[in-house]
Amino acid sequence: SAVISQKPSRDICQRGTSLTIQCQVDSQVTMMFWYRQQPGQSLTLIATANQGSEATYESGFVIDKFPISRPNLTFSTLTVSNMSPEDSSIYLCSAWDREGTEAFFGQGTRLTVV
Amino acid sequence: GQNIDQPTEMTATEGAIVQINCTYQTSGFNGLFWYQQHAGEAPTFLSYNVLDGLEEKGRFSSFLSRSKGYSYLLLKELQMKDSASYLCAVSDSNYQLIWGAGTKLIIKP
Repeated sequence: SAVISQKPSRDICQRGTSLTIQCQVDSQVTMMFWYRQQPGQSLTLIATANQGSEATYESGFVIDKFPISRPNLTFSTLTVSNMSPEDSSIYLCSAWDREGTEAFFGQGTRLTVV
Repeated sequence: GQNIDQPTEMTATEGAIVQINCTYQTSGFNGLFWYQQHAGEAPTFLSYNVLDGLEEKGRFSSFLSRSKGYSYLLLKELQMKDSASYLCAVSDSNYQLIWGAGTKLIIKP
């Protein structure tokens, strides 16, 4: 399976600021996804990152708060804008393998907003 | 709506066998996945089932019954390092993964 390098692995940020999380895949992938995971809970899909077009956001998530870029088939970024303590969470990027039989993940970004 | 159900927590003894069940109701089906997630880490892939039956991979096996909307993950010869959360996920008709809340497995010596 492919490998996703995600950074930063963790950060502590001041409220009102923004943080950009990057994911680099070691091979070309069609679909990339961004998730949020609160402690002890399952994964919540934020959006699907589409190469060359605007991301597709899930209910409850908007582009102004979570702008996403996908300039090519191996790279994507998620920005958490105007952060508040409620944004403290783990953020994960994910992609499908070629056969669609495995979704693999970056290492995750543990974000704490103070 | 779409729904994945799995037990919140299970406890088992080192060396024993444990079965974690997952039932699902989704719009379409393109496969069921099991992932292991240790605290503070990203999920890691364990298994993928798209046809009915049992898939065995070392100490881990996964079973699927599409007609019943049911799967289980079977862990044999439990080790302390198997203490983790186990996530069940289904790929729906749009190839979007629908995730269960996860089952926290506690292994006792």
